[in-house]
Amino acid sequence: KAGVTQTPRYLIKTRGQQVTLSCSPISGHRSVSWYQQTPGQGLQFLFEYFSETQRNKGNFPGRFSGRQFSNSRSEMNVSTLELGDSALYLCASSLSSGGFDEQYFGPGTRLTVT
Amino acid sequence: GDSVTQMEGPVTLSEEAFLTINCTYTATGYPSLFWYVQYPGEGLQLLLKATKADDKGSNKGFEATYRKETTSFHLEKGSVQVSDSAVYFCALGSDTNAGKSTFGDGTTLTVKP
Repeated sequence: KAGVTQTPRYLIKTRGQQVTLSCSPISGHRSVSWYQQTPGQGLQFLFEYFSETQRNKGNFPGRFSGRQFSNSRSEMNVSTLELGDSALYLCASSLSSGGFDEQYFGPGTRLTVT
Repeated sequence: GDSVTQMEGPVTLSEEAFLTINCTYTATGYPSLFWYVQYPGEGLQLLLKATKADDKGSNKGFEATYRKETTSFHLEKGSVQVSDSAVYFCALGSDTNAGKSTFGDGTTLTVKP
């Protein structure tokens, strides 16, 4: 069974631009969560989608948004990029939306904002 | 809210040494507990999990026991190898927080030959 895939793996953007990251979950998994990982803040939860509905959201500004498609693939969008948005963005999928299930992570998208 | 506290790192050990990484948690209700491992340039991989009190999770020689009375989930391995060098994250998940795992800060383990 194929794992979680994320595209692109690396991205360099300029401050003020916007960016879209993509995540394909493991086949059969309907829950997709997004995390931001930085050396200073560690792993911070962005949001979670299940069956095309956002079920949970972390404490990030409205510039961070996401969506999920009927095939469970998910995209995350960041508008008006700031230098502080430079991070590794990780996508994770799981069978259910409940927190009891383990999550399967993709390799991440490394975003650098200059 | 939920929180996870891991022992401060980094940890450096010689090959075949005993490993303990401490993890304590705060949560409402009865969360599931996880250990994830992250190798350089990769995402996180599930190492082991436990879903109720006194459960022991184990994988690849690593073990951790869900201790409700001390709210702990310490990771142990009897004999580490150079290939175990990575960052280890303790995490919890609960049904009151859909799709969200709460992570500790991570502990960097370096094993020297």
